Amino acid sequence: KAGVTQTPRYLIKTRGQQVTLSCSPISGHRSVSWYQQTPGQGLQFLFEYFSETQRNKGNFPGRFSGRQFSNSRSEMNVSTLELGDSALYLCASSLGFSGYTFGSGTRLTVV
Amino acid sequence: AQTVTQSQPEMSVQEAETVTLSCTYDTSESDYYLFWYKQPPSRQMILVIRQEAYKQQNATENRFSVNFQKAAKSFSLKISDSQLGDAAMYFCAYRSLQTSGSRLTFGEGTQLTVNP
Repeated sequence: KAGVTQTPRYLIKTRGQQVTLSCSPISGHRSVSWYQQTPGQGLQFLFEYFSETQRNKGNFPGRFSGRQFSNSRSEMNVSTLELGDSALYLCASSLGFSGYTFGSGTRLTVV
Repeated sequence: AQTVTQSQPEMSVQEAETVTLSCTYDTSESDYYLFWYKQPPSRQMILVIRQEAYKQQNATENRFSVNFQKAAKSFSLKISDSQLGDAAMYFCAYRSLQTSGSRLTFGEGTQLTVNP
């Protein structure tokens, strides 16, 4: 059974650019959530998608957005990148309440 | 809003010994899930153990067990017979059952070192 796949693994972008990260959940999982991990702020919830609808949103500026496709794959987009957006972005998929399977993350570096 | 606190930024243990990682949380809810996740250098968060708040019995998964004290809002993780492969960052997480959607609130993490 394939796990959660995040692409790309590493990304280097310049301030002001935009970036799109991808997450393919475990087959059959309809919920996909995104987290930002930084040394200073720890793990923070970005948003969650379920059946192509955003169901939950964290406290991030509007530059952070996402979407989910009919096959449950999800993308998150960050526009007008800032140095502070440098982080590990983790995606998790779940089937219900009981557990969340995480991908290996995308390491974004903004220079 | 719920908060999760891990007061031990770093812990170390000798191989084959037992170590306990602490976690406290603050919530006004009665129904929720608690998790311990492990994040090795590979970065992938791996579920270690899960506890449903309505269950009084402490969860156990092989060498990993929890001490869940609902009234005290405490959720500690005990690792028995520690192995070198247990070295990682450990995160405690909370998931409400009273709000829709999947949202985990994480603690700050505890870096566990296992000494041979």
